[in-house]
Amino acid sequence: GDSVTQMEGPVTLSEEAFLTINCTYTATGYPSLFWYVQYPGEGLQLLLKATKADDKGSNKGFEATYRKETTSFHLEKGSVQVSDSAVYFCALSEKGGSYIPTFGRGTSLIVHP
Amino acid sequence: NAGVTQTPKFRVLKTGQSMTLLCAQDMNHEYMYWYRQDPGMGLRLIHYSVGEGTTAKGEVPDGYNVSRLKKQNFLLGLESAAPSQTSVYFCASRPVLAGVADTQYFGPGTRLTVL
Repeated sequence: GDSVTQMEGPVTLSEEAFLTINCTYTATGYPSLFWYVQYPGEGLQLLLKATKADDKGSNKGFEATYRKETTSFHLEKGSVQVSDSAVYFCALSEKGGSYIPTFGRGTSLIVHP
Repeated sequence: NAGVTQTPKFRVLKTGQSMTLLCAQDMNHEYMYWYRQDPGMGLRLIHYSVGEGTTAKGEVPDGYNVSRLKKQNFLLGLESAAPSQTSVYFCASRPVLAGVADTQYFGPGTRLTVL
């Protein structure tokens, strides 16, 4: 079956540091890939997504590229802020017929001033 | 649009009590989901629905029941609460788009404590 593996956290960075959160996946089909963010005390919200190979999703300075050859969708940001402190979830969703997305376990990011 | 709303936001139950969590969405989405989130466990799917009048079991359905009598509402019931059901519960909905697996939209969560 499908699976998503994320690096374990917490990831602790100083403000303005470079961020990478690794995500790799296994899928039987040709999925769409997502990064969701969960701020403290809130529900998950979409951060960015990519629907086909080599697509780059981007939002709020975050980027991730759909790499089919390495089955990866790593999240990056060039300069993190304290306000980026949150839990980040990588997820995949198969096209056509599968109703259930597959989520990674989440990676907590803590950014210090 | 309010998006996905959940009521209540917080609840404390005693073991054996029952309750219903309500999820409502105003985006006309076909698919709706109930998850629980526990420390170190990520999100686990309890039940889901692919349309009005249909429900199906997810990864951890035991101790829960659901109903989807109206397209916009998805109810999660606990008939006899247990301390193991202490968790944060999230509802989500998703549109059906041909050929594309699209984004899920999440509610703000219900924090449930069972004593």
